Formats: sequence, C-alpha cells, structure tokens
Amino acid sequence: DAKTTQPNSMESNEEEPVHLPCNHSTISGTDYIHWYRQLPSQGPEYVIHGLTSNVNNRMASLAIAEDRKSSTLILHRATLRDAAVYYCIQSGSARQLTFGSGTQLTVLP
Amino acid sequence: SQTIHQWPATLVQPVGSPLSLECTVEGTSNPNLYWYRQAAGRGLQLLFYSVGIGQISSEVPQNLSASRPQDRQFILSSKKLLLSDSGFYLCACIIPGLARNEQFFGPGTRLTVL
Repeated sequence: DAKTTQPNSMESNEEEPVHLPCNHSTISGTDYIHWYRQLPSQGPEYVIHGLTSNVNNRMASLAIAEDRKSSTLILHRATLRDAAVYYCIQSGSARQLTFGSGTQLTVLP
Repeated sequence: SQTIHQWPATLVQPVGSPLSLECTVEGTSNPNLYWYRQAAGRGLQLLFYSVGIGQISSEVPQNLSASRPQDRQFILSSKKLLLSDSGFYLCACIIPGLARNEQFFGPGTRLTVL
C-alpha cells in the first residue's frame, strides 16, 4: 500500500502557480520523497526528489516541511501540458517505488 | 541516453489465451528492470523486478511470470489470461551508477482481455 496521502484531484488556471500537497507522516529518516507524473496513455516520468532540503529543477520545486511529514510540489507556471496524474512516493531508494492513486491535475485555459 | 521499447503497443486477447509482452532497453548495460500493471483509473502495481540475467523477483502471486533471457530484455508471460489481467503494462529501468536515482518508463502495452 502507498504510504503517502494526496488529494484525488486539483484544478489550476493556465500560467498560474500550482501547489500539490502530499502527506507522508510515517516517513523514516532515510526515506526520500519522490515525485513522478503520468500524462494520459504514457508511462510515468520523474519530476523531482528530495530528502530534507527544498529542491529546485527545471520542471518544478519541492518544498519539504521541517518535520518531513509533508511536502509540496510547486509548478511555477502551469501549462496545458502539465495536466497529468502526479504521484508522491516515499521510499529509501528509487529501486522500490510504490505508486498510489496520485493527484489528477487539470489545467484550465 | 537510454531508450525503452515495449512491444506490442496494444493487444486484445481472449480469456484463456497465452501472453508474451516484450521490453528491451537500449543505451545502457546491466539495468534494473521492472514490470508494472496499471488498471483503469488506478495507480501502478509492481509485478516483477530483475537485477540481472535470470534473476527475477515477484511482488505479487498471480498467473503471470517474467523472464530475463538477456541483459537488456525483459519478458512478461502468461499461460492463460484472466479478465482481471486487462490493464496498461509498463516496463521501467534504473540505470546503474546514474547520479540521479530515478526509474525510466517505457511507452507501455495496453492489454484488453475479452
């Protein structure tokens, strides 16, 4: 079973920031937080991952709470191509990823 | 860079028929390989993973099996398909030694069992 909790769905307007929350209250000290996204009829793709500090890359930012029991994936300017299911996964390694149901993000034009 | 191929892209099979799905990886050696299944509207379920030729670990008991006859080839099989085997089958790999530890996914095979 997935160990994280995410909202089933969220909506955003195009070109506005999106904050996708994730709760991982059972996270251990060695677990990373991984985010993947899955566009319709495609396999998932890696978005970002982090351990304790906030992380930034060309796709998104990851803000991790100080107690590490929650995190937020931030898309700075949503585009229509960002519409996808976003998965938040806690795991000690990318070798063992348990995908839950994720958050279906809808981007409105 | 690595590329994952999956064949076929779509498949419609009758209940009780056999199955063989193929996954091949280009651009890397000695990858960790994974088979996932995704039922409609659901998350991904890990079925099998392999760390090397002939080494298969099964995550869930079922009527499916996997084999890795070559370093970059991963095959998912069944002797007799069930209706519940319908879904989107995804092959994934991890590249050893890559600084960013991530799974790369193939394009998937959509299987419909009638």
